Amino acid sequence: EIVLTQSPGILSLSPGERATLSCRASQSINSIYLAWYQQKPGQAPRLLIYGASSRATGIPDRFSGSGSGTDFTLSISRLEPDDFAVYYCQQYVTSPPMYTFGQGTKLEIK
Amino acid sequence: QVQLQESGPGLVNPSGTLSLTCAVSGGSFSSSDYWSWIRQPPGKGLEWIGQIFLRGSNYYNPSLKSRVTISVDKSKNQFSLTLDSVTAADSAVYYCARHGGFYHDYWGQGTLVTVSS
Repeated sequence: EIVLTQSPGILSLSPGERATLSCRASQSINSIYLAWYQQKPGQAPRLLIYGASSRATGIPDRFSGSGSGTDFTLSISRLEPDDFAVYYCQQYVTSPPMYTFGQGTKLEIK
Repeated sequence: QVQLQESGPGLVNPSGTLSLTCAVSGGSFSSSDYWSWIRQPPGKGLEWIGQIFLRGSNYYNPSLKSRVTISVDKSKNQFSLTLDSVTAADSAVYYCARHGGFYHDYWGQGTLVTVSS
């Protein structure tokens, strides 16, 4: 079973700063199977990035994804107050088909 | 725009069966072949429960496979989740979601299910 480990667990930054969130897989995965979500309290997760680097519909270009193999990164440039939330990475496994999530990174206002 | 809405009892007895339904509206149910259930215990992370493939087999999380069934009613544009022999560990917010590819692009708002007597 491939495990996704996100770091840091909590990231404290100020509006206007740049955030860098990490998602590391225990084995190499195909980047097309890696997605990122944002979740705010009391809300469902929202798709941000799919295929490791493609932005979902309506997601501002301040959000970018990168990486390959075992190391993936979600970057948020110029943090806005609305960006402070929990972020999850997710992978798809082909055999047998299933999804797993990282444990999440909480981005909080410093 | 596709919309999903979960419904079902918010309280289930221990050892009982959890049953939820997800109604899909605002778009064709066949807009995707795959629809998932995902859950999130209070204050914790996300766990994929399983998915239904409209044209074939379902797939379940191995950790829940023995207790889970996902079914579909295409005539009503809805799919359902049943989870047997529930315990307090099954208390969570349950989400239904659509597959856009190898990701979930539309989600329901979630419904909290508590397992307690």
